[in-house]
Amino acid sequence: AQSVSQHNHHVILSEAASLELGCNYSYGGTVNLFWYVQYPGQHLQLLLKYFSGDPLVKGIKGFEAEFIKSKFSFNLRKPSVQWSDTAEYFCAGRLSGNTPLVFGKGTRLSVIA
Amino acid sequence: DAMVIQNPRYQVTQFGKPVTLSCSQTLNHNVMYWYQQKSSQAPKLLFHYYDKDFNNEADTPDNFQSRRPNTSFCFLDIRSPGLGDAAMYLCATSRDRDSYYEQYFGPGTRLTVT
Repeated sequence: AQSVSQHNHHVILSEAASLELGCNYSYGGTVNLFWYVQYPGQHLQLLLKYFSGDPLVKGIKGFEAEFIKSKFSFNLRKPSVQWSDTAEYFCAGRLSGNTPLVFGKGTRLSVIA
Repeated sequence: DAMVIQNPRYQVTQFGKPVTLSCSQTLNHNVMYWYQQKSSQAPKLLFHYYDKDFNNEADTPDNFQSRRPNTSFCFLDIRSPGLGDAAMYLCATSRDRDSYYEQYFGPGTRLTVT
């Protein structure tokens, strides 16, 4: 079955620390991958997405993610986090075409001063 | 300038008492989705409407139904809520069904079943 895994449940970082959140997927075909963010009390927002081409994808607010096909991974990175990055981060994937979007369980990021 | 609006944000219902959750959109998107998200779990797709065409996920219980009277509105009906249906319900829209199109999410309705 298609699945998306996020192994970090809760990550706590100090401001200015570098961030990497793990995401692995299990899909047999061409896959489209997404990272969503949910700030406290707000709705899910798209951070970035990968469809094809350059495996290094840049998103909003200084986030980027790298698609590594051989590792079935799509990790989210940010070189220097800010307190305002405190949020829940969801990795999601779907096979190309009309297929359901499958989410990971999410990683809660807490950035402390 | 909210784009996907969900009402109410919090809903309390009694065990077995039918409840309806509402979603509206100002984006004029063709597709509207309903997801269920239980505590510490991933959002799970229940069903979606592509225009007027209803598409149910295979493992969505019969207890869950949906209506889309027009492009802007979509409702989630839970006919006989059980304690296990307590969750956050997310509505999302996209311009079309292909995975290329971004999904826009509403803030969710948190359902409590007493």
